[in-house]
Amino acid sequence: DIQMTQSPSSLSASIGDRVTISCRASQSVSTNLNWYQLKPGKAPKVLIYATSKLESGVPSRFSGSGSGTEFTLTISSLQPEDFATYYCQQSYNGNTFGQGTRLE
Amino acid sequence: QMQLQESGPGLVKPSETLSLNCTVSGGSISSHFWSWIRQSPGKGLEWIGYIYYSGSTTYNPSLKSRLTISVDTSKRQFSLKLTSVTAADTAVYYCATLTGIGGRFDYWGQGTLVTVSS
Repeated sequence: DIQMTQSPSSLSASIGDRVTISCRASQSVSTNLNWYQLKPGKAPKVLIYATSKLESGVPSRFSGSGSGTEFTLTISSLQPEDFATYYCQQSYNGNTFGQGTRLE
Repeated sequence: QMQLQESGPGLVKPSETLSLNCTVSGGSISSHFWSWIRQSPGKGLEWIGYIYYSGSTTYNPSLKSRLTISVDTSKRQFSLKLTSVTAADTAVYYCATLTGIGGRFDYWGQGTLVTVSS
């Protein structure tokens, strides 16, 4: 099984901050890495797919990078609606999610 | 815009079977992969498994022995059955689909909480 490890597990930030969340895979997943945003009581939302492709309708302040085992989600200028929990997911071999990063 | 809605009992007794349905609207169920994902209290997301519209399935190995996912295209529904549940199966259960490239789950239901308790 491919294990996904996110860091940090929680993050305090302010409006306008640049925020970076990391995701590490236990073995290479090539670029088969996706990012999601979860808010309580709402349907989860995909932000980034295939490492760096922005999902339709997602603001351009979100971006993704990486390959192999190291990946990053960046929010260039944090907005009030971005306070949520973020998950990475590998789809290279089965599907595995990271443990989440709570942005507060 | 595709929409998914989970339905089923919110409370299941230990050792019994958890059964959930997901109804699809706004798009065709006769294509794509249809998936179940859960989030246990205080924990991260766990992929449960998915079914292709044709009926072929892929399950999380950790749940495979207790799991059945099926699809009924005439009802525009797909279903989850998890047998011999314990408190560890208490979670918010989401249905989701993969319609595009990259193996991403691009449409999700809002989730339904299932508690396993006597």
